[in-house]
Amino acid sequence: DAGVIQSPRHEVTEMGQEVTLRCKPISGHNSLFWYRQTMMRGLELLIYFNNNVPIDDSGMPEDRFSAKMPNASFSTLKIQPSEPRDSAVYFCASSFNRGQGRNEQFFGPGTRLTVL
Amino acid sequence: LAKTTQPISMDSYEGQEVNITCSHNNIATNDYITWYQQFPSQGPRFIIQGYKTKVTNEVASLFIPADRKSSTLSLPRVSLSDTAVYYCLVGDMNTGFQKLVFGTGTRLLVSP
Repeated sequence: DAGVIQSPRHEVTEMGQEVTLRCKPISGHNSLFWYRQTMMRGLELLIYFNNNVPIDDSGMPEDRFSAKMPNASFSTLKIQPSEPRDSAVYFCASSFNRGQGRNEQFFGPGTRLTVL
Repeated sequence: LAKTTQPISMDSYEGQEVNITCSHNNIATNDYITWYQQFPSQGPRFIIQGYKTKVTNEVASLFIPADRKSSTLSLPRVSLSDTAVYYCLVGDMNTGFQKLVFGTGTRLLVSP
């Protein structure tokens, strides 16, 4: 398996523009997570999907952020409009949720977003 | 979610054993202890997980005392490639939703 795939790997945009980050989870995994990492705030969970349904979006910073998972093999994180403070590395992770016990999360390589 | 406290940084030399201790005084009965490793410009990677006593895999060992208020990640004979940030996390593994709350982690620097 190729692991979690994220695109683009790097994104540079101007303030006010719409940004869409994409993620393909590992085949067979039923849980998907979006994280954001900055020097100031560390690694933060933004949203969690289970079986394509958003379960916990309490970490989404504000209405400018939205995430979708139309099917088991694809998810997007959209920022509209983008602001310089959104600059960060965004990670997507997936896991197989067994209901209990070890649920190891597999992280993608991340998307480095720079908003000018 | 139980809060964890771990050293901000540690230094070691190649070939030495490294022990990173994490404090989690408010750990709940259903909480498991999990460690992740993160290299620069990469996403975190699962290392090891345990509930009590000792767990060992091909990468590391995890020691958990009876009161479970702390845990120690042990890396035997580290190499330069073990330079990374190590995160200790605790969370309920019985709900089916493992919400990972990453702290600041421990930045390990291994020198020749």
